[in-house]
Amino acid sequence: EVQLVESGGGLVQPGGSLRISCAASGSTFSNYWMSWVRQAPGKGLEWVANIKQDGSEKYYVDSVKGRFTISRDNAKNSLYLQMNSLRAEDTAVYYCALESFKHFDYWGQGTVVTVSS
Amino acid sequence: SYELTQPPSVSVSPGQTASITCSGDKLGDKYACWYQQKPGQSPVLVIYQDTKRPSGIPERFSGSNSGNTATLTISGTQTMDEADYYCQAWDSSTGVFGTGTKVTVL
Repeated sequence: EVQLVESGGGLVQPGGSLRISCAASGSTFSNYWMSWVRQAPGKGLEWVANIKQDGSEKYYVDSVKGRFTISRDNAKNSLYLQMNSLRAEDTAVYYCALESFKHFDYWGQGTVVTVSS
Repeated sequence: SYELTQPPSVSVSPGQTASITCSGDKLGDKYACWYQQKPGQSPVLVIYQDTKRPSGIPERFSGSNSGNTATLTISGTQTMDEADYYCQAWDSSTGVFGTGTKVTVL
C-alpha cells in the first residue's frame, strides 16, 4: 500500500515563497509520474504540475508557470513544489498524487497553504 | 485551455440510479476517470480508463465515454455515496479536472 505524506504548508505573505514536500513509502517511487493537485477553500480540484519518473519532463497549469517549480529526489522518495511570488489565489490544500497510466491511484492527506498579509 | 463541465448537483433517492455527466471537446478520444471526495477527505479514484473500477470500488459504480461526454453511473445508490465527484482527463500533457458535482442522496 502506497502512502503519501505532505508537509511544509503554512501561512505566507503575498509575494513570498514556500516549499512543500511529499514523502512516499510502500512503493517504488521512482517508477511513477507524480503530480501536485490543489483545492481552494470550498472549490473544486485543480491540477497544478507533474513530473516524469527521472525528472526530465515537467508540466504546469498556466496560472503557475514561471512561479512554481516541481522537483523530485528519487533517492529520498520525495516530491517537492517550490512556490514563489505567491498570490492570495494560491491559497489551497495541496495534495500530492501518484500517477498510474494517467490517473491518480494514490493521494496524500494534503497540506494547507495560506497566502495572506 | 481545455475545459470539462459537470452539473453542479445531482439528487437521487436511495436505491435509485444517479448519472453524472462530464462534457469536453472530443472527450471520447481521451481517457476519462472519476474521483469521489467526501468532506474533509482526500479524493478517491472510482473509475479509470473510462470504464475500469479499481480494486475495492463497489460494482454499482460504472463509467462510459463517447463523443463529447463521459458519464459516471451509480446504480442502487447508497447514502454512503453522498459526496462530490470529479471527472478528469489529460490534454496536451496537462491534467484537467471537471467542475465537480455534488451528489445528494435523499
